[in-house]
Amino acid sequence: DSGVTQTPKHLITATGQRVTLRCSPRSGDLSVYWYQQSLDQGLQFLIQYYNGEERAKGNILERFSAQQFPDLHSELNLSSLELGDSALYFCASSVEPSSVGQYFGPGTRLTVT
Amino acid sequence: KNQVEQSPQSLIILEGKNCTLQCNYTMSPFSNLRWYKQDTGRGPVSLTIMTFSENTKSNGRYTATLDADTKQSSLHITASQLSDSASYICVVSLYFDQTGANNLFFGTGTRLTVIP
Repeated sequence: DSGVTQTPKHLITATGQRVTLRCSPRSGDLSVYWYQQSLDQGLQFLIQYYNGEERAKGNILERFSAQQFPDLHSELNLSSLELGDSALYFCASSVEPSSVGQYFGPGTRLTVT
Repeated sequence: KNQVEQSPQSLIILEGKNCTLQCNYTMSPFSNLRWYKQDTGRGPVSLTIMTFSENTKSNGRYTATLDADTKQSSLHITASQLSDSASYICVVSLYFDQTGANNLFFGTGTRLTVIP
């Protein structure tokens, strides 16, 4: 158990819908990262927050957005969902913003039908 | 072109045998290079982390090496077990001020299958 929690574990929704994925970092970690992993694909970095502020952006679509709240939990919002958005979405956390010592959560499996 | 490439893409070995996975990267210098193990449908778990100046790092039956001259890292697994069946991912982290943005570069992984 990495100490990073993600909810829900599974999510099935229809195209065009909007969903919110939630992540709670390890106790004491200030930085949160979001990744997308499509079937048989590598991890794609989406976005990073550090202590509530956006720190770095990767290959995140405009239909996706994220935020980190004062209690340091983070939410990833996916809107106007398409079939191709079906993937595993991982959250990771670290103490520092430099991603050293990054711990991954168990992931949320999103299926868009 | 991916800046972190791993080989082989997949590998099948017999239980008890050793194997070596390769990671070639283009960036230099960098902050650290990590190897992760990812079981199917689970989050990656860190195996080793090496700074740019380190040559080797061990974690039980896993030993990672780093050759800054050839820009290669290897992950050697000894006495493989069935539970080693997973994807192994190489990740290079740049110093944040090198990019000001995305500083993580992931390989696409090697899928290892250990058979009895």
